[in-house]
Amino acid sequence: GIQVEQSPPDLILQEGANSTLRCNFSDSVNNLQWFHQNPWGQLINLFYIPSGTKQNGRLSATTVATERYSLLYISSSQTTDSGVYFCAVPTQGGSEKLVFGKGTKLTVNP
Amino acid sequence: DSGVTQTPKHLITATGQRVTLRCSPRSGDLSVYWYQQSLDQGLQFLIQYYNGEERAKGNILERFSAQQFPDLHSELNLSSLELGDSALYFCASTPSGLGNIQYFGAGTRLSVL
Repeated sequence: GIQVEQSPPDLILQEGANSTLRCNFSDSVNNLQWFHQNPWGQLINLFYIPSGTKQNGRLSATTVATERYSLLYISSSQTTDSGVYFCAVPTQGGSEKLVFGKGTKLTVNP
Repeated sequence: DSGVTQTPKHLITATGQRVTLRCSPRSGDLSVYWYQQSLDQGLQFLIQYYNGEERAKGNILERFSAQQFPDLHSELNLSSLELGDSALYFCASTPSGLGNIQYFGAGTRLSVL
C-alpha cells in the first residue's frame, strides 16, 4: 500500500521563527490533507491540497503531485502552533481511507 | 468545530469489559470512517461505512465491530478489552467518501486499566 513519510520527526523553534515541514508519499494521489493535532488531542483540518499552493494566514501548503511531496510552511510561529502535524493521503480503489504519516512534533518556545 | 460529534470524550474501564463509542457525522454526510491512534501504531484506519453499509475494513480486531444506523450515526463496539486497546479513537465523515475532505471529530480517549 501507499507509504507516507514526514520529516523532520521533531522540531523546536523560538517564537517568531519560520519552519517547513515535509511529506513524501510513495504513489500518485488525488488529494492530500494536512492536520494539526493540538495538545488536547484534537485533529484540526489545516489544508486539503491535491496540488498547487494554498494559504491560510501564517500557514501555507504546497503539493507537487508529480514529484510526490507536499510542504507545510509556518511563518512567524507562535506557542499555539505547538503540537503534532500530520499529512494524510487516501488509498485508491473506492474507499479513500486515509493513510497517515507519523507526524512532525513541533514545539514553539516563548 | 468540524461538525462531527463523538461521545463520550473520555472512557475509563477495566480489562475484559465492553464499551461503545458513538459518532454523529456532519449533517448530510453519508460516509463514516473510524481511526485508532495509539502510541506505538500511530493513526490507523479501522473501518468505513457508507449509507449504512460496510465499505472497507482495515486492521480492525475481531473483538471490535461497528455499525451505521439509518439516521447515519455510527457506533464502534470494543469488547474483551485489553490494556493495549487504550488509545484515541477518531471518527471522520465525508459526503460520499470519494475525493472529499474528511472532517474529524474530537475523539474518544479510551483508557483500559
